[in-house]
Amino acid sequence: DGGITQSPKYLFRKEGQNVTLSCEQNLNHDAMYWYRQDPGQGLRLIYYSQIVNDFQKGDIAEGYSVSREKKESFPLTVTSAQKNPTAFYLCASSKDGYQETQYFGPGTRLLVL
Amino acid sequence: GENVEQHPSTLSVQEGDSAVIKCTYSDSASNYFPWYKQELGKRPQLIIDIRSNVGEKKDQRIAVTLNKTAKHFSLHITETQPEDSAVYFCAASIRNNDMRFGAGTRLTVKP
Repeated sequence: DGGITQSPKYLFRKEGQNVTLSCEQNLNHDAMYWYRQDPGQGLRLIYYSQIVNDFQKGDIAEGYSVSREKKESFPLTVTSAQKNPTAFYLCASSKDGYQETQYFGPGTRLLVL
Repeated sequence: GENVEQHPSTLSVQEGDSAVIKCTYSDSASNYFPWYKQELGKRPQLIIDIRSNVGEKKDQRIAVTLNKTAKHFSLHITETQPEDSAVYFCAASIRNNDMRFGAGTRLTVKP
């Protein structure tokens, strides 16, 4: 299970506040992903990055932003524009973006106060 | 885009019985089909995957079958044990950045 970490485990957001979720990997993977998981639903892709300094929107990117300044790190910011942010957020990485196994981090549960 | 449907949403079996979970996909270009197991509050973990040039793959008590013509694939777990209880997700993709997940199946194995 090691190799990809997320912090914090739980995060509370106040109305109008931006919060940032951390994702780090030491697997030397080029590709990284952010997914959102809601109860009773599968994982939905928020953003992905194939390589440093490059990232693309997924299916539900509105209200979120990312950066990829280092190969190891892919932080996700949940902005105040995301009106329903309560969910379980999962970060993943893969060797590259072409059918390589994705390895998931332990997740961050975001709750709204 | 790709759409993956997964059935059933819940499945309860007696210990020792077999469990089968089925998924269908819409994009005939999809060629990679992983299965993940997620225990409560934990990360999804890959348990088996299959690529489109293979019809069946086995790993001990777990097997996956793929029917590309019908665009469906299935997970088979034999001799189920209580520790198999979890949520199982199927997925389909052409490339990793367009992977689509099913809604999940909650499997309960009763001792």
